[in-house]
Amino acid sequence: DQQVKQNSPSLSVQEGRISILNCDYTNSMFDYFLWYKKYPAEGPTFLISISSIKDKNEDGRFTVFLNKSAKHLSLHIVPSQPGDSAVYFCAASEGNTDKLIFGTGTRLQVFP
Amino acid sequence: GAGVSQTPSNKVTEKGKYVELRCDPISGHTALYWYRQSLGQGPEFLIYFQGTGAADDSGLPNDRFFAVRPEGSVSTLKIQRTERGDSAVYLCASSRGLANGGELFFGEGSRLTVL
Repeated sequence: DQQVKQNSPSLSVQEGRISILNCDYTNSMFDYFLWYKKYPAEGPTFLISISSIKDKNEDGRFTVFLNKSAKHLSLHIVPSQPGDSAVYFCAASEGNTDKLIFGTGTRLQVFP
Repeated sequence: GAGVSQTPSNKVTEKGKYVELRCDPISGHTALYWYRQSLGQGPEFLIYFQGTGAADDSGLPNDRFFAVRPEGSVSTLKIQRTERGDSAVYLCASSRGLANGGELFFGEGSRLTVL
């Protein structure tokens, strides 16, 4: 039972354009959502997060949008840069815990 | 170093053997997590420690898997009678243990290959 789903395994975007990565979840008890970025042979690194009391959080080129009614969140990267090429994981947690449930990841490639 | 350290980085073993994977968390982090990542999948939760005790071990796949954190710092993940399906990257993460948004800091992982 995949509680966090990333239905696009890969995405290719031209440098300077917007990258939009999507994530859906099924557990309505999730109340905190995070995006992690992973380069080959490295552990995932935290990118940006959002609490369920908000619908948008922005940090520089990265913005996360949360639509609770649709149980959907998205990560927007603008402008995209070649260094953004990595695998992006959506993750969620509920209640009084930092235990994260991860999606399967989306591989983003930003080409010149 | 200041980050989460995992050893060994690579381990190749034969089916049926016993394996230990070690995690040294960030100093001062009270919470420690083990995840497993198989090819093409996201990290899958195994077990979570708050201090010395396992607060949630619901992700351990079966009784061949066991983890300890005797002094509330370093943790060891132990796998008995390894099977080919155990081959994966085992990730360790630590955090300050703050609920509802505490960022997890991951190590680089230990890649286990069972032949």
